[in-house]
Amino acid sequence: KAGVTQTPRYLIKTRGQQVTLSCSPISGHRSVSWYQQTPGQGLQFLFEYFSETQRNKGNFPGRFSGRQFSNSRSEMNVSTLELGDSALYLCASSLGQSTNEKLFFGSGTQLSVL
Amino acid sequence: AQSVTQPDIHITVSEGASLELRCNYSYGATPYLFWYVQSPGQGLQLLLKYFSGDTLVQGIKGFEAEFKRSQSSFNLRKPSVHWSDAAEYFCAVGAQSGGYQKVTFGTGTKLQVIP
Repeated sequence: KAGVTQTPRYLIKTRGQQVTLSCSPISGHRSVSWYQQTPGQGLQFLFEYFSETQRNKGNFPGRFSGRQFSNSRSEMNVSTLELGDSALYLCASSLGQSTNEKLFFGSGTQLSVL
Repeated sequence: AQSVTQPDIHITVSEGASLELRCNYSYGATPYLFWYVQSPGQGLQLLLKYFSGDTLVQGIKGFEAEFKRSQSSFNLRKPSVHWSDAAEYFCAVGAQSGGYQKVTFGTGTKLQVIP
């Protein structure tokens, strides 16, 4: 069974641009969560999708958005990039609700904003 | 809202020595508790989880954790550390917050293993 796949693996953008990151969950998993990881901050929760519906959202500005497709694949978009958006963005999938289930993480997308 | 504190940012232990990584949580009830490990350049992998029942939980790679309700703690332990255990360890809490369910992670503890 293939694991969680995130693309691209690395991304370099400049301030003001926008970016779209992709996440393909494990087959059969319906929940996809996104996290931003920066040194010293740990993992900050961005949002969670379940069956194409956003179920929860973290404390991030509206520049951060996401969606989930009918095949459970998910994308997150960051518009008007800022230097502080440089981070590792991790996607995790689970069968159902994330709070009581094992999360399976992808290797992440390393975003650098110049 | 729930929160997780990992007071040790960085820990160094000798290979073969015992290990304890601390985790304290804040939540009104007993949450779901997890420990994840992240190797460099990789995503996170679940080591173990606690929902209810026996407060001593066994996980993969020889790790165990003990839930102590009175101390709001869920410390991770290993009796003898191997060089391959060098990684970053995250404690996490799954609970309801503001009407939603979500998983909150601590800031992580980086483990260095010296020969």
